[in-house]
Amino acid sequence: KNQVEQSPQSLIILEGKNCTLQCNYTVSPFSNLRWYKQDTGRGPVSLTIMTFSENTKSNGRYTATLDADTKQSSLHITASQLSDSASYICVVSAGFSGGYNKLIFGAGTRLAVHP
Amino acid sequence: GAGVSQSPSNKVTEKGKDVELRCDPISGHTALYWYRQSLGQGLEFLIYFQGNSAPDKSGLPSDRFSAERTGGSVSTLTIQRTQQEDSAVYLCASTIGGGGKTDTQYFGPGTRLTVL
Repeated sequence: KNQVEQSPQSLIILEGKNCTLQCNYTVSPFSNLRWYKQDTGRGPVSLTIMTFSENTKSNGRYTATLDADTKQSSLHITASQLSDSASYICVVSAGFSGGYNKLIFGAGTRLAVHP
Repeated sequence: GAGVSQSPSNKVTEKGKDVELRCDPISGHTALYWYRQSLGQGLEFLIYFQGNSAPDKSGLPSDRFSAERTGGSVSTLTIQRTQQEDSAVYLCASTIGGGGKTDTQYFGPGTRLTVL
């Protein structure tokens, strides 16, 4: 069964600190892996997309890594800000057929950044 | 429009009633998706529209759920005879279509449905 598991479920850090969120997946076939940020009451917003051949991708203070061999990904947030408080969702594409990506969503990690 | 919009933002209904949820995708986006987000769970795919092609309805959980997309733009998701387990946030997303494996989905803010 295709699954995406994220850890921790929730995390509290102080403003200015770094943190790393984890994602493990069992998805086949694998097409690409995405990280989304979802603010409370809003829809998810794409942060990064990585294909099989990419092992790191950055978007500002966000850096995602991918190890396709161990089927693990991480999202590292540097110098956190209060506005980083949100849920971070790991999403894996189980192939591209019928003209679209079959996306498998993790349940998300809820990050709270405190002053 | 600037982004994907959805209406209503919140909907409270009684068990057994029908509800209609609306999605306006980004102008020019040919692909549209509906997802359901239950508390503490990942988004669940419901249905996919691409241009004038027949939609992929493989994610619809029961025949009480249906969706249509008129004129290749606005979409409505209809839930008939709502049940309490239908309570969730319903999210719509659109993509430019034909973008390939790494096309980005742009999500609307969602409709929070509560069935009493």
